[in-house]
Amino acid sequence: QAVVTQEPSLTVSPGGTITLTCGSSTGVVTSGHHPYWFQQKPGQAPRTLIYDTSDKHSWTPARFSGSLLGGKAALTLSGAQPEDEAEYYCLLSYSGVRVFGGGTKLTVL
Amino acid sequence: QVQLVQSGAEVKKPGASVKVSCKASGYTFTRYYLHWVRQAPGQGLEWMGVINPSGGGTIYAQKFQGRVTMTRDTSTSTVYIELSSLRSEDTAVYYCATLEDSWGQGTLITVSS
Repeated sequence: QAVVTQEPSLTVSPGGTITLTCGSSTGVVTSGHHPYWFQQKPGQAPRTLIYDTSDKHSWTPARFSGSLLGGKAALTLSGAQPEDEAEYYCLLSYSGVRVFGGGTKLTVL
Repeated sequence: QVQLVQSGAEVKKPGASVKVSCKASGYTFTRYYLHWVRQAPGQGLEWMGVINPSGGGTIYAQKFQGRVTMTRDTSTSTVYIELSSLRSEDTAVYYCATLEDSWGQGTLITVSS
């Protein structure tokens, strides 16, 4: 089974910009992996932020965007807010089998 | 809007089986595949498998092959996950989700002697 890798932890200043990445042990991440990004705060169920690489929901703050960058899937946060402090998980699809990354703990400080 | 409501918490002994339900509402049941994801205490998310509510076809994560069964009841718009041969490492919150947008509230399964 493929392994999906994320940065374990990152810190961003309020108002700052940061990019979280999602890599695959099988090689380059493409749109065919249908990358998803989820946000989870303590004690809550995950919430879907981004699906199919870059598509957003009505509840996804405009400051979040998804893309492919340097062979990985990427989640960019532009203008971080204190409420963005959370765990972020990516998910990749391998011919129907999904695999989560280990998550990135994002601190806004 | 899509709503997924799961059954309540359970405590099971090692070696037993557990079956968790997830009732869907607010949309045509066969429109979205439904996934099961679990999260052990203090750990990350783990994808367990997916069921197509239309035909009942399933894909399971290799780790759970032979121990997990996902089914659906189209008459009640409900999907189920059954996990057998439970061990302490199966203690986790189990979620059903469309992944595209909606998640259930989670069901805590505790495996303890």
